[in-house]
Amino acid sequence: DIQMTQSPSTLSASVGDRVTITCRASQSISYWLAWYQQKPGKAPKLLIYKASILESGVPSRFSGSGSGTEFTLTISSLQPDDFATYYCQQYNSYSLTFGGGTKVEIK
Amino acid sequence: EVQVLESGGGLVQPGGSLRLSCAASGFTFNTHAMSWGRQAPGKGLEWVSGISAGGDSTYYADSVKGRFTISRDNSKSTLYLQMNSLRAEDTAVYYCARGGIVQRTSDDWGQGNQVTVSS
Repeated sequence: DIQMTQSPSTLSASVGDRVTITCRASQSISYWLAWYQQKPGKAPKLLIYKASILESGVPSRFSGSGSGTEFTLTISSLQPDDFATYYCQQYNSYSLTFGGGTKVEIK
Repeated sequence: EVQVLESGGGLVQPGGSLRLSCAASGFTFNTHAMSWGRQAPGKGLEWVSGISAGGDSTYYADSVKGRFTISRDNSKSTLYLQMNSLRAEDTAVYYCARGGIVQRTSDDWGQGNQVTVSS
């Protein structure tokens, strides 16, 4: 199985900060990577797919980049609604895998 | 509006069986792959299983292979997950999602259904 490693596991930031989360794949996955946001007790919400395509309705402060094995999710100016846990997921192989998650906390 | 609604969860003893259902609406069910994911208490997300739009191809995580079976009834717009030989480590909230197979992202998720395996 392809392993997905996210960093950091926890991130403390303030409203207005620029935030970057990294996801590394154990082998090349081309651009078959998605980013999800999850809040406590809620279902995951798709933010970005194919590494850099913003899902409809998602604010433009979210952006994704990368290909192959290195990917990033950037929030250009953190808003109060953005405090949550973020997961990357590869869907290049027949067995999909998630990263371990990054919890974005209030500083 | 896309909606997927899980049901069938509950408390089951180790070694027991349970069948989850997921009723879909708001989209053409038979043109979309579907999948199941789960989240153990306090843990991250785990992809469990996926099925192609026509139901002819199925995929499983190693952790459930041979114990879980995914299926779908396109005439009823319903997805299923038959879970046998359940273990304590299968305790989780189980999510149904549209998409979620190779090169098909999971773009809409249900609210989740709790499965607890305990004696």
